[in-house]
Amino acid sequence: GEDVEQSLFLSVREGDSSVINCTYTDSSSTYLYWYKQEPGAGLQLLTYIFSNMDMKQDQRLTVLLNKKDKHLSLRIADTQTGDSAIYFCAETLYGNNRLAFGKGNQVVVIP
Amino acid sequence: DADVTQTPRNRITKTGKRIMLECSQTKGHDRMYWYRQDPGLGLRLIYYSFDVKDINKGEISDGYSVSRQAQAKFSLSLESAIPNQTALYFCATSDSRARGGNQPQHFGDGTRLSIL
Repeated sequence: GEDVEQSLFLSVREGDSSVINCTYTDSSSTYLYWYKQEPGAGLQLLTYIFSNMDMKQDQRLTVLLNKKDKHLSLRIADTQTGDSAIYFCAETLYGNNRLAFGKGNQVVVIP
Repeated sequence: DADVTQTPRNRITKTGKRIMLECSQTKGHDRMYWYRQDPGLGLRLIYYSFDVKDINKGEISDGYSVSRQAQAKFSLSLESAIPNQTALYFCATSDSRARGGNQPQHFGDGTRLSIL
């Protein structure tokens, strides 16, 4: 199947860390992606991780990949009001021909 | 992403009308996609095209058709619009020749379509 699971809602105080989780299905996925969607806008690529890595850090963003459990997470350090958005994880399918997206996780940052 | 342009950005129309949503890109990518987004359902793939003359159905192609007029242009049509096609529609592109096989998709800003 192509079900990518995400929890739907997270609220976090400004300055705290936020963690968004995702469970994917295809163990042969080569790349996994995190996208951010701000209100009224399209999806913006935030970061990605190659499947032979278990961690990637990019400024305030840390991606963790647990291939055994097919679990992907995104940690945002020092969360800011501009981080309020919907976050989507996506996995590659069918030898990189397509992406399957999760349903998204809405993050609300409380000042 | 300004390199992927969708028109119109908003459209309100009536049941039974024919609608065309346009997408153009300046990224030089060979692959293009159309998705719809509904609250709580995430993104669902309608159609995708790996090159001019290549068209593939996605998860929810019924009621839609597409045309890949050129490598840079991919349009989505609703032949006879119905209210449950009210949604936010996104076009995306990707490059099959990307280095290392890393092929993220790049999205337009979306078209908000309302069918009354």
